[in-house]
Amino acid sequence: GQNIDQPTEMTATEGAIVQINCTYQTSGFNGLFWYQQHAGEAPTFLSYNVLDGLEEKGRFSSFLSRSKGYSYLLLKELQMKDSASYLCAEVDSNYQLIWGAGTKLIIKP
Amino acid sequence: ETGVTQTPRHLVMGMTNKKSLKCEQHLGHNAMYWYKQSAKKPLELMFVYNFKEQTENNSVPSRFSPECPNSSHLFLHLHTLQPEDSALYLCASSQDWPDPNTEAFFGQGTRLTVV
Repeated sequence: GQNIDQPTEMTATEGAIVQINCTYQTSGFNGLFWYQQHAGEAPTFLSYNVLDGLEEKGRFSSFLSRSKGYSYLLLKELQMKDSASYLCAEVDSNYQLIWGAGTKLIIKP
Repeated sequence: ETGVTQTPRHLVMGMTNKKSLKCEQHLGHNAMYWYKQSAKKPLELMFVYNFKEQTENNSVPSRFSPECPNSSHLFLHLHTLQPEDSALYLCASSQDWPDPNTEAFFGQGTRLTVV
């Protein structure tokens, strides 16, 4: 079956940069999503990548390498409000979303 | 305001109770979903409705019964649940299904506790 791997938890400092990695199985790939979920809140869309390369949206960027089955979410100039879980999800060959368990990001002053 | 509203936000029910979760979306989307989110586990897709028709049922036990009366409303009827069914139940919608590059909009979820 499909597996999405991402770290369970990461800690970073306010103002710094953090990279959250996600690996997936490469067969039947149709795109990769990143979502942000604050505790007790709805997941909200951050990015979608289907082609290789880096896509930048303000402080957040998402990278994809299809040949390596690898993506990362890069967060710059970290703010306390960035403390949240970050969910990686692959669109498989059946157009179903395969979700990772999420990475809990803790920002310290 | 996410455009997808779920009620109730919290629910505690006994194993013999019957309750329903409600989801409403005001985004004009055609597809609606129920997900189960347990602590430190990936989101589990339960049901998908597209144009009011159920298109996916991912081996969900019959004690969970979905209903989609129209494209804007989705219900999840619960009966004789087990303690392991305690989780956050998320509703989501998207423009269409399947559409690989369409983002999903989520509600804030119902935190269900089965006692």
